[in-house]
Amino acid sequence: GESVGLHLPTLSVQEGDNSIINCAYSNSASDYFIWYKQESGKGPQFIIDIRSNMDKRQGQRVTVLLNKTVKHLSLQIAATQPGDSAVYFCAENIGRGSTLGRLYFGRGTQLTVWP
Amino acid sequence: DADVTQTPRNRITKTGKRIMLECSQTKGHDRMYWYRQDPGLGLRLIYYSFDVKDINKGEISDGYSVSRQAQAKFSLSLESAIPNQTALYFCATSDARSGGQETQYFGPGTRLLVL
Repeated sequence: GESVGLHLPTLSVQEGDNSIINCAYSNSASDYFIWYKQESGKGPQFIIDIRSNMDKRQGQRVTVLLNKTVKHLSLQIAATQPGDSAVYFCAENIGRGSTLGRLYFGRGTQLTVWP
Repeated sequence: DADVTQTPRNRITKTGKRIMLECSQTKGHDRMYWYRQDPGLGLRLIYYSFDVKDINKGEISDGYSVSRQAQAKFSLSLESAIPNQTALYFCATSDARSGGQETQYFGPGTRLLVL
């Protein structure tokens, strides 16, 4: 079945450094991926998405890389700031059949940024 | 996201009680979802609704029921609450016009404690 997981449950970085958060998925039929950020006491917030016909997408200070060969997704945060401290989730969507529109979430990585 | 609201934000109840969690959205989205989040775990789908006349079970629907009263409202009920339903509950919405590759937008969550 589908699974979305993370290599590391926690990540600590110093302010100003770059952060890389990884995610593995197992379903080759997944065609859409999303990264969410969840701050303490809040709901998940959309950060960036990528479709399976792309291997890289950039946003403001964030880049998502997709490697379909090894079913791996990563989120890179440039010049990490204290406000980036949160739990980051990857989610995958299998865009056809009975699961159309559904998202499957990984367990999340806790990012802590030290001053 | 202020476009998706949940009430109540916090709730304490006793085993065996019936409770209802409510979700409203002003995004005009057809699709709505209820998730549960437990510590150290990702989001797990309880129920989802692709339009007012469509209700579907998610991964963990046992012990829960839902009602889609209107396009903008989707409520989750616990008919007889039990302690292992203590969790953080999130409502989400998405736009069906995205053709299956849909970003979901989350509410702020309801923290439920069942004694």
